[in-house]
Amino acid sequence: EVQLVESGGGLVQAGGSLRLSCTASGFTFSYSWMSWVRQPPGKGLECVATIKSDGSQEYYVDSLKGRFTISRDNANSSLYLQMNSLTAEDTAVYFCATSGGAVWGKGTTVTVS
Amino acid sequence: VVMTQSPLSLPVTLGQPASISCRSSQSLVSSDGNTYLNWVQQSPGQSPRRLIYKVSNRDSGVPDRFSGSGSGTDFTLKISRVEAEDVGVLYYCMQYTHWPYTFGQGTKLQI
Repeated sequence: EVQLVESGGGLVQAGGSLRLSCTASGFTFSYSWMSWVRQPPGKGLECVATIKSDGSQEYYVDSLKGRFTISRDNANSSLYLQMNSLTAEDTAVYFCATSGGAVWGKGTTVTVS
Repeated sequence: VVMTQSPLSLPVTLGQPASISCRSSQSLVSSDGNTYLNWVQQSPGQSPRRLIYKVSNRDSGVPDRFSGSGSGTDFTLKISRVEAEDVGVLYYCMQYTHWPYTFGQGTKLQI
């Protein structure tokens, strides 16, 4: 079964950090560009970071201002998002997805107080 | 790239067709000749599900009442006959030709 499972969300104080993880199965993770997409409560979807299949290039939305880092471990079919200096505006459900949108995880909730 | 959907709320009648428009602020034709425009569906409390990729290709398991069309900057999602399971759901267009990848605001089908 093709699957993405996120973990690592939770409640954090403003200024704090969190590391999200996403584990893939059922498809060739090492061939796939991967993205993190977030959805604030009651709002739309925003793709915040993307990484090439081999990890050689990372892309970030400008509004993050260098606070987030995307990374991957192809040997373990895992994707990560390190989030620093969190603010209330980062409160959202964070989805892991293949960059073409074919596969989505169920999401993990990040709440910044 | 700004993606603009219309309408944002679409009154529908079961069994009747429905159509959602999506316009991009610049062409979505990639340097490789492909147009990376998807349509995704999101039910309340669920993660998104891709319905259509590269403008008009239906994903596996997607009912054939869903179809996508368009080119350049103008795209359309059509539902040939709206069913009850299509209502109360959000539909987003999404482009991944240009970074940052961007989504439309979402369109909700309502009775």
